[in-house]
Amino acid sequence: AQSVTQPDIHITVSEGASLELRCNYSYGATPYLFWYVQSPGQGLQLLLKYFSGDTLVQGIKGFEAEFKRSQSSFNLRKPSVHWSDAAEYFCAVGPRGNTPLVFGKGTRLSVIA
Amino acid sequence: DSGVTQTPKHLITATGQRVTLRCSPRSGDLSVYWYQQSLDQGLQFLIQYYNGEERAKGNILERFSAQQFPDLHSELNLSSLELGDSALYFCASSATGSRTTNYGYTFGSGTRLTVV
Repeated sequence: AQSVTQPDIHITVSEGASLELRCNYSYGATPYLFWYVQSPGQGLQLLLKYFSGDTLVQGIKGFEAEFKRSQSSFNLRKPSVHWSDAAEYFCAVGPRGNTPLVFGKGTRLSVIA
Repeated sequence: DSGVTQTPKHLITATGQRVTLRCSPRSGDLSVYWYQQSLDQGLQFLIQYYNGEERAKGNILERFSAQQFPDLHSELNLSSLELGDSALYFCASSATGSRTTNYGYTFGSGTRLTVV
């Protein structure tokens, strides 16, 4: 069965510092991988997705993620965090086709001055 | 505005009652997914509809049911409500596509259900 683990429940970083959010997945084949962001009181917004090809994918708001098959990981990174990045971040995995995604439990990001 | 519309945004009801949550997918999307988000369980997949037909079922209780109508909007019906059903309920839709890719979802802003 598919599963997603986000090991960090809560991370606090200083504004301007770099960020890496971890995501590990379990899936039998090559997965489709996603990162979503949820601001307080909002729905989830797609940041980026990986299907195939280049293992480093670029997303919106300056985020990027790297797929590492050997480590079953899809970590999200940002070189310089802004206060507006404070939110909950979810990693998700799914198979091909219009089928349900499995989400991790999320990592809450706090940004301090 | 994501293009996925959920109503109502907030709902407060008593235990034992029944409520209906509504979702209008993004224009052109045939798939609708329902998820429940709670603090302890995270995002739990409930059910998926594709062009009016049930496509996949997740951790959906028997007290819950859903349907997708010919105009593609969907409703999630929750009955005999319990305190533990208090949660955020999200609807998402996905782009129509072949079975060889996965476009991910567009989420609505959710319905916050409080059972008292």
